[in-house]
Amino acid sequence: GAVVSQHPSWVICKSGTSVKIECRSLDFQATTMFWYRQFPKQSLMLMATSNEGSKATYEQGVEKDKFLINHASLTLSTLTVTSAHPEDSSFYICSAPSDSHGVRGYTFGSGTRLTVV
Amino acid sequence: KQEVTQIPAALSVPEGENLVLNCSFTDSAIYNLQWFRQDPGKGLTSLLLIQSSQREQTSGRLNASLDKSSGRSTLYIAASQPGDSATYLCAVPNQAGTALIFGKGTTLSVSS
Repeated sequence: GAVVSQHPSWVICKSGTSVKIECRSLDFQATTMFWYRQFPKQSLMLMATSNEGSKATYEQGVEKDKFLINHASLTLSTLTVTSAHPEDSSFYICSAPSDSHGVRGYTFGSGTRLTVV
Repeated sequence: KQEVTQIPAALSVPEGENLVLNCSFTDSAIYNLQWFRQDPGKGLTSLLLIQSSQREQTSGRLNASLDKSSGRSTLYIAASQPGDSATYLCAVPNQAGTALIFGKGTTLSVSS
């Protein structure tokens, strides 16, 4: 089945630095990937849609200059949290549709716990 | 705007009990619904995917039903085990048919 690999699983960084999170589709090609954020005891909220070869689409309220998304190949999307601050500490999860339109559901990465100190 | 609600928010049961988790959605124009399991600090594991044309799906001790017209889905867990302890999330595609909209989940605790 479709597998999505996400790295790192956790990261601690100093305030003001940048952190890159990678999301790879291992056994299929994903022209579209999704980035979600989850705060403690809250549900997953879509941050942005990553499109291979074009600009990402950001949800309302998500700063595109702060959360840089690159989808340079059909198997890799990256999320870079720039100039991180403690309020960016959260759980970030990527996802890809199991087929071209998600008719067969979506597959998720294992998530990245970001802590900004 | 699609909204997904899950009830109860938390549930504690002794081992062996059968239980039902509920999910409701406001816009019935969905083409599928997916149930996930999330362990603390981990990603999501897909449990069951129900297409809009289906009424239920089964996988082992899990059975999920879908009633599109009433905007409801239930996840039935038979003979619960401590290893079932986790947060269970239901999700439906957004209006664009791209990403998913999630409920807040039901956190299940099964005691031995």
